[in-house]
Amino acid sequence: DGGITQSPKYLFRKEGQNVTLSCEQNLNHDAMYWYRQDPGQGLRLIYYSQIVNDFQKGDIAEGYSVSREKKESFPLTVTSAQKNPTAFYLCASSMRTDLRETQYFGPGTRLLVL
Amino acid sequence: SQQGEEDPQALSIQEGENATMNCSYKTSINNLQWYRQNSGRGLVHLILIRSNEREKHSGRLRVTLDTSKKSSSLLITASRAADTASYFCATDAFSGLVDALNFGKGTSLLVTP
Repeated sequence: DGGITQSPKYLFRKEGQNVTLSCEQNLNHDAMYWYRQDPGQGLRLIYYSQIVNDFQKGDIAEGYSVSREKKESFPLTVTSAQKNPTAFYLCASSMRTDLRETQYFGPGTRLLVL
Repeated sequence: SQQGEEDPQALSIQEGENATMNCSYKTSINNLQWYRQNSGRGLVHLILIRSNEREKHSGRLRVTLDTSKKSSSLLITASRAADTASYFCATDAFSGLVDALNFGKGTSLLVTP
């Protein structure tokens, strides 16, 4: 099956802990994205990557980090510097490097703070 | 900042009725997209309409775009309980740090049997 997978579905973070959310796609898409969604809100862009070994900050990058070592993988680390990490995190990809193209989303990871 | 704003925030209808939700935006766009999100899941792309198009159909979905009013509407005809979801519009108008899609806050649609 082609698509985007995210894991885990639920993730619990303790104070001062870094956690990493996984995102994998087998669509051979060039661009990948990470969004944060809070209740009743739209999506806010955290980071995006248009090509392997390159990524750029979105609108709310503080407290997050990413890597793009392989075309199919774009993991997101929520660092201890992110003081309000509880949210639903969505990974997406698009076929080419135009950031305004149709995006394909994974099922999401819900991050909760203990 | 969010470019698209959906209206209403919430909509409740009965099966078989039509559902209409609207999206307004602030600056010029090249295209506008609609997505659906079932509770606790990722978004699914429904339809894309370009700035030179006025209306587009896909199954029971009908999207209109009025660039003079900077607004779009999504009509779901003969709704079903399975249409219960949140619906988001996304525009490609630059309104933040990044020239990428901007998503609205969504319309929550409840279709009751």
